[in-house]
Amino acid sequence: QVQLVQSGAEVKKPGASVTVSCKASGYTFLSYNIQWARQAPGQGPEWMGIVSPGGGATPAYKFRGRLTMTSDTSTTTVYMRLRDLTNEDTAVYYCARSSGANSRFDHWGQGTQVNVSS
Amino acid sequence: YELTQPPSVSVAPGQTATIPCGGDNIGTQSVHWYQQKSGQAPVLVVYDDRARPSGIPERFSGSNSDGSTATLTIARVEAGDEADYYCHVWDRSGGQSVFGGGTKMTVL
Repeated sequence: QVQLVQSGAEVKKPGASVTVSCKASGYTFLSYNIQWARQAPGQGPEWMGIVSPGGGATPAYKFRGRLTMTSDTSTTTVYMRLRDLTNEDTAVYYCARSSGANSRFDHWGQGTQVNVSS
Repeated sequence: YELTQPPSVSVAPGQTATIPCGGDNIGTQSVHWYQQKSGQAPVLVVYDDRARPSGIPERFSGSNSDGSTATLTIARVEAGDEADYYCHVWDRSGGQSVFGGGTKMTVL
């Protein structure tokens, strides 16, 4: 079965960076993209960007210059790195599988809590 | 681009719940719907306006034909359907995915 397993919770100070990993299994890794979204408490998901299995990445406008997304086909793992963290970046971060940028998110990871606090 | 959902709906067990999602010319978009139970990741329940993923009960259905509002309908509501529901589209003009703010469905 399709599984996306994310790395564990993180606590960071303002100004730091965070990296979240997403290990994919149960499907042909090269056939699907991975999308990233985050969800602040009490709010809907917020799209962050998309990365293809070959490594091409498109961040949402809001995160350009601060977000890096990469893909490692040898380990079927995708990474999301967000720099220059502020308190407003406190959220649960999700990876999700999709066939394209304009497609549904058909399987989601379990989420990774990132807390930013001084 | 924004998607507007009512913050909450309440429905008695066995009744039908309708959750609207408003957006400019949403009828020209493909709308997807997710169910999110407390403390869990979202789960896709309807995609491309009205299709259901494998394993999702037929009680869940979608429509998107009136131009400005897409709707998720849950028939014969059960206690286990209590969750937050989110609509989602790809905004072609803006080149990004957009989610609604979510509707909390309470089963009375």
